Amino acid sequence: ETGVTQSPTHLIKTRGQQVTLRCSSQSGHNTVSWYQQALGQGPQFIFQYYREEENGRGNFPPRFSGLQFPNYSSELNVNALELDDSALYLCASSEGRGSTDTQYFGPGTRLTVL
Amino acid sequence: AQSVTQPDIHITVSEGASLELRCNYSYGATPYLFWYVQSPGQGLQLLLKYFSGDTLVQGIKGFEAEFKRSQSSFNLRKPSVHWSDAAEYFCAVGAAGGYQKVTFGTGTKLQVIP
Repeated sequence: ETGVTQSPTHLIKTRGQQVTLRCSSQSGHNTVSWYQQALGQGPQFIFQYYREEENGRGNFPPRFSGLQFPNYSSELNVNALELDDSALYLCASSEGRGSTDTQYFGPGTRLTVL
Repeated sequence: AQSVTQPDIHITVSEGASLELRCNYSYGATPYLFWYVQSPGQGLQLLLKYFSGDTLVQGIKGFEAEFKRSQSSFNLRKPSVHWSDAAEYFCAVGAAGGYQKVTFGTGTKLQVIP
């Protein structure tokens, strides 16, 4: 069984640019969540997608957007990058969208904004 | 709003010694509680979770945690630490609802000395 994968592993962008991060869910999982983990901090919830619809959102501005595809893979898009967007971005997939459904995390994408 | 406090940023223990990592949460109702471990270059892995029932929860890798409502705590324990346990540990709280809004603590970095 393939776990959650993310691409790319590392990325360097400059302020004002746009970035797309990708996540491939674990087989059979219809829910994906994205988290931002700044250096020295715990992950912060960005949003969740369930069956291709945004199902919940944390305290992040609209320039953070996402997509979930019919095969349940997902993208996180960030527009107008700011220095503070430098972080590890984690995606997690689960069989369902409830809090009791176990989330399986990918290894993350390290984004550096210069 | 839910929140998690992990008062210890960094802990060092000798291999074979016992371990306790502290976690305090804030949530109005019965919380869903989690402990995750993150090794360098790896995603988060779920160690154990508590939703209801027996307040002593057994997890993977020999870890256990005890939910104490009166103290708003969910401390993680292991009777004998192995060098491979060196990693960062995150406590998290979730809520019943339509989506998995999980709030993480800032983490405790565990160092194991031979």
